[in-house]
Amino acid sequence: KNEVEQSPQNLTAQEGEFITINCSYSVGISALHWLQQHPGGGIVSLFMLSSGKKKHGRLIATINIQEKHSSLHITASHPRDSAVYICAVSPIQGAQKLVFGQGTRLTINP
Amino acid sequence: GAVVSQHPSWVICKSGTSVKIECRSLDFQATTMFWYRQFPKQSLMLMATSNEGSKATYEQGVEKDKFLINHASLTLSTLTVTSAHPEDSSFYICSARDGGRAYNEQFFGPGTRLTVL
Repeated sequence: KNEVEQSPQNLTAQEGEFITINCSYSVGISALHWLQQHPGGGIVSLFMLSSGKKKHGRLIATINIQEKHSSLHITASHPRDSAVYICAVSPIQGAQKLVFGQGTRLTINP
Repeated sequence: GAVVSQHPSWVICKSGTSVKIECRSLDFQATTMFWYRQFPKQSLMLMATSNEGSKATYEQGVEKDKFLINHASLTLSTLTVTSAHPEDSSFYICSARDGGRAYNEQFFGPGTRLTVL
């Protein structure tokens, strides 16, 4: 079993829908990261969080440390949100290294 | 702020040649840089961690003589794929840690797509 599991692996939705991507992890962490990878390959860091909730525009990330679970929400989704969303954790041991989930491929249709 | 560039963005080379990929932090000092490899539809795989001025630490299974990493300054790290073969074709991404920011925050470059013929 991977240390970081994401669900769903693939998600297709219509423009405007509310999107949720989930991430569960099994190790102690100092931080959790949500990353976005566009078809061209470049990766953008969306959030780094260690507790609670963060919001940036239409994106919201939450984390529950006790349950070792995080969610990424996208409100009013748009075709430009189509990308692979990757959850990664910074383990308490070896905190410089990131442990990655397998990614969620999101497609938003107009 | 916190911009990381990579050069080239793509490269095609013949089998047996060596290819150098540069990773630069444009507006911060990168005390640590990471090199990743990504196969199609798979997640990133950490190849090595490099700290400025010291030897890179390679992950298990990564050949250090095959993938030469140099981090000679606080803004530049290079990955050289020596004697490249078709199985080295992949997407290579670097990331950098800003010494002045949170210890576990990384900023990613746009990646380099290597195709070995």
